[in-house]
Amino acid sequence: SQQGEEDPQALSIQEGENATMNCSYKTSINNLQWYRQNSGRGLVHLILIRSNEREKHSGRLRVTLDTSKKSSSLLITASRAADTASYFCATDARYGGSQGNLIFGKGTKLSVKP
Amino acid sequence: GAGVSQTPSNKVTEKGKYVELRCDPISGHTALYWYRQSLGQGPEFLIYFQGTGAADDSGLPNDRFFAVRPEGSVSTLKIQRTERGDSAVYLCASSLQSSGNTGELFFGEGSRLTVL
Repeated sequence: SQQGEEDPQALSIQEGENATMNCSYKTSINNLQWYRQNSGRGLVHLILIRSNEREKHSGRLRVTLDTSKKSSSLLITASRAADTASYFCATDARYGGSQGNLIFGKGTKLSVKP
Repeated sequence: GAGVSQTPSNKVTEKGKYVELRCDPISGHTALYWYRQSLGQGPEFLIYFQGTGAADDSGLPNDRFFAVRPEGSVSTLKIQRTERGDSAVYLCASSLQSSGNTGELFFGEGSRLTVL
């Protein structure tokens, strides 16, 4: 079963616009990560935010984490056509037998039109 | 300096056959993960190794699936009596993590398995 649920499932925007993707999860976590996947390729790590952090930046990426709502958002500013990809959130559970493994959501498919 | 390497990149087999998929992680990475990804879905966790031992194999769907990592480096995912429903991309990832918090995963390009 998947721990995270991203929304929207698909997002289409124009180059230069901002893209926001959301992720909700179910259990207490140590950290939450965002990954990107180009069609037919492996996943690439974008950013990791720890459970005691609320916001993190990396270049054009901004990630927020609200542990009280069990949700996170990924903002891509000034999007480019090359940002077209699927984006996944992933969490590791803080307790229980699933500690140490990373559970992925179903992803948001982002399309950035030039 | 090489990344995670998976072979074969593509495998077509017939229903009922045995298949092995290989993963060569980044040198020095103690943690190794196998995931399965169907079209349009997120990666589904299968099994996670810490060193030579399976730390969590709760994602293996049934006893036809088995994975080993005998020397704590290369891992092989083995699927017996393949079924059409096993068709998917099998992703391998490795990480520097020790027990506890999960760090950044480095993924291979995947092995696409097609069962006819």
